[in-house]
Amino acid sequence: EIVLTQSPGTLSLSPGERATLSCRASQSISINYLAWYQQKPGRAPRLLIYGASSRATGIPDRFSGSGSGTDFTLTISRLEPEDFAVYYCQQYGGSTRITFGPGTKVDIK
Amino acid sequence: QVQLQESGPGLVKSSETLSLTCTVSGGSVNNYYWSWIRQPPGKGLEWIGYIYYTGSTTYNPSLRGRVTMSVDRSKNQFSLKLTSVTAADTATYYCARHGGRYSTSPFDPWGQGTLVTISS
Repeated sequence: EIVLTQSPGTLSLSPGERATLSCRASQSISINYLAWYQQKPGRAPRLLIYGASSRATGIPDRFSGSGSGTDFTLTISRLEPEDFAVYYCQQYGGSTRITFGPGTKVDIK
Repeated sequence: QVQLQESGPGLVKSSETLSLTCTVSGGSVNNYYWSWIRQPPGKGLEWIGYIYYTGSTTYNPSLRGRVTMSVDRSKNQFSLKLTSVTAADTATYYCARHGGRYSTSPFDPWGQGTLVTISS
């Protein structure tokens, strides 16, 4: 099983600031099968990034993903009010066991 | 576009079986993988398992033995059964499609989720 660790647990920032979220895997993720999701209260998660760095359809370009192997990053270049939410990373390459990280909450400072 | 909707009882008694259905609209279950994911109140996401439209399944080993998934192509639905439930199974249950036509695809789209509470 690939265990994902996300840091920080909570990120307190102001609108307009840059957010950098980290996701670390316990073993290398093959072919960068790493995704990022955004979840707002009472809502289902929404796919933001797949393949570590590809934006999903309709996702603004202020969201970007990078990394490979065991270390991955989600960057939000300039936070908009609607970006304050919880972000989860997910590995989907270990198809016998798909796992999620514990999440990073981005809240308003 | 494809939309998913979970349905089923919101309250299940401890030791009984949780049964949920996901109805797919705006698209077909054919040629895709479909997953169930759950989220206990205030906690993170846990993948339960997936089913291919042919009926082939893969379950999370942590739940294996209690989980059964099935697909009904004629109704464009797939289903989840979880047996011997306890309070630890209280969660919002989501269904989702694997975005590409492989099991190794991220989840997109998701259903809105349905809260299932296990009562004693």
